[in-house]
Amino acid sequence: KNEVEQSPQNLTAQEGEFITINCSYSVGISALHWLQQHPGGGIVSLFMLSSGKKKHGRLIATINIQEKHSSLHITASHPRDSAVYICAVIKTGNQFYFGTGTSLTVIP
Amino acid sequence: DVKVTQSSRYLVKRTGEKVFLECVQDMDHENMFWYRQDPGLGLRLIYFSYDVKMKEKGDIPEGYSVSREKKERFSLILESASTNQTSMYLCASSLLAGRPPYFGPGTRLTVL
Repeated sequence: KNEVEQSPQNLTAQEGEFITINCSYSVGISALHWLQQHPGGGIVSLFMLSSGKKKHGRLIATINIQEKHSSLHITASHPRDSAVYICAVIKTGNQFYFGTGTSLTVIP
Repeated sequence: DVKVTQSSRYLVKRTGEKVFLECVQDMDHENMFWYRQDPGLGLRLIYFSYDVKMKEKGDIPEGYSVSREKKERFSLILESASTNQTSMYLCASSLLAGRPPYFGPGTRLTVL
């Protein structure tokens, strides 16, 4: 069983829709990352969270440490948001563990 | 600007060949990582290194080895490539353990 589970695996949305991607983990962590991977492979870090909520433009990430759950929200989605979104946790011991990713397609 | 480069974007090799994947970072990072990414399995750690000449096995080291002779360069070696090593290979580096890693663009390796 993967220590990091993401849902949904695939998501198609109309431009302008509010999008939520969920991440649940089963281990103790020191922090959680949300990553974005565009077609072609390059991965960039969007957020690093250890508690609460962070916002960057139209992206909002939240984490509930007690429930071992994080969400990534995209407001007013746009076709350029189409990408794979990956949740990654840092276990104590400083190793990353990755979810399998959520493939998002935003249709104009 | 932070940069992690990988020697090839696409590579096609034959079964049994020795394959070298090179990764170079220009950020003076201590930590470097090799992952493979497969559909439905996500990113899996092959090897990592916290210092020059130091290496640690990740979750799936079988069939792979690594070399870190210089701080900026971390090489992944497939001693005898097999078809089940067809995958996307991603290198990453980070300054501090646990900080966001910077990823290279990836090498899509096909083993025929």
